[in-house]
Amino acid sequence: AQTVTQSQPEMSVQEAETVTLSCTYDTSESDYYLFWYKQPPSRQMILVIRQEAYKQQNATENRFSVNFQKAAKSFSLKISDSQLGDAAMYFCAYRGVNFGNEKLTFGTGTRLTIIP
Amino acid sequence: KAGVTQTPRYLIKTRGQQVTLSCSPISGHRSVSWYQQTPGQGLQFLFEYFSETQRNKGNFPGRFSGRQFSNSRSEMNVSTLELGDSALYLCASGLGVRAFSGANVLTFGAGSRLTVL
Repeated sequence: AQTVTQSQPEMSVQEAETVTLSCTYDTSESDYYLFWYKQPPSRQMILVIRQEAYKQQNATENRFSVNFQKAAKSFSLKISDSQLGDAAMYFCAYRGVNFGNEKLTFGTGTRLTIIP
Repeated sequence: KAGVTQTPRYLIKTRGQQVTLSCSPISGHRSVSWYQQTPGQGLQFLFEYFSETQRNKGNFPGRFSGRQFSNSRSEMNVSTLELGDSALYLCASGLGVRAFSGANVLTFGAGSRLTVL
């Protein structure tokens, strides 16, 4: 079974600064997907960024980028130029690719606070 | 393009009752999966449906069940409610098949907040 670990329950960052959220995972599969989801107080789960395991290039979406280290099974999220709207719970998630095994396995989340 | 719609958004039930939650996926999406979110257990997978068939199930008791209709809409039912069933129930929809372009992204609804008294 796959597991996802987020070791930082809470993080805070000054507005306009950069912050990195950590995530490690465990799997025996060679192909899979990794995601970062954001859950603001509205509780709507919003996709931030995704990474396919077979791609060596780290994914980037505007101010959000990941550092994907497949051998180390590490998948961290970097948020640059932090904005007040980035305040939320951030969940790292793993998803298999085989038919019938596409459920998302989530970490416990990191609560990110933005300091004005 | 409409998003994933979950109804009702909030509901209050008492122990022993049953509840049915509904999820309408994004048009064209054929898979619907359900997750339970609680402060203590976090986000846990309940089950996934694709083309009216359950193809994956989480570790929940038989009181939790679901189904998917031919139009891909899904319902989940919880019978004999317990206090511990109080949670946010999230539905997510996806294409259900591996997209040629890569990661098959799931899109979540806003959730149904269930309170059991």
